[in-house]
Amino acid sequence: GQQLNQSPQSMFIQEGEDVSMNCTSSSIFNTWLWYKQDPGEGPVLLIALYKAGELTSNGRLTAQFGITRKDSFLNISASIPSDVGIYFCAGQIYGKLTFGQGTILTVHP
Amino acid sequence: GAGVSQSPRYKVAKRGQDVALRCDPISGHVSLFWYQQALGQGPEFLTYFQNEAQLDKSGLPSDRFFAERPEGSVSTLKIQRTQQEDSAVYLCASSLVLRQTANYGYTFGSGTRLTVV
Repeated sequence: GQQLNQSPQSMFIQEGEDVSMNCTSSSIFNTWLWYKQDPGEGPVLLIALYKAGELTSNGRLTAQFGITRKDSFLNISASIPSDVGIYFCAGQIYGKLTFGQGTILTVHP
Repeated sequence: GAGVSQSPRYKVAKRGQDVALRCDPISGHVSLFWYQQALGQGPEFLTYFQNEAQLDKSGLPSDRFFAERPEGSVSTLKIQRTQQEDSAVYLCASSLVLRQTANYGYTFGSGTRLTVV
């Protein structure tokens, strides 16, 4: 099935560093979402973006919905050890989500 | 309950065996979704219910996969004659309200990890 192009596939960073990951698609979506998934759990919503060009923050997280509606990025500032996990982007139309392949984030204390 | 509940958490099936996976959505949630997540991949859409009506089953990989939600609450995903390629985590999600451009209360369960041997 279709999956969005998410990069990078993995990141290994030091605590306190900023992180950036992005997602692109050949299709247009009405909503872009960013999820975090911990081992053995389902994805948990971090940020939802509803309008092209929208820039939204949630604590240390900032995400943007690309103007073309075909891309999005997520930034995490001042990373901490609990940021470890797998981050997924997802595009949504009528509730149906199409996910990226995920970015594995490792934070070294 | 407070969240989406899935059972069993783990299931080991012999190839050719039939399995049934259960999802209890958040009370009052109208919409229910099933996703399949292979190892190292993002979840992939399988099917979608609004109340008891199955409105989209375009993601079901074959006619061995069948989902139902007869009373608009609990849903069951059934896989007949399981094959090794069916090994994956099966995630259920429910949503209070569905709009084209919104994502109200879209909550995932912890999933059922199916291993076919």
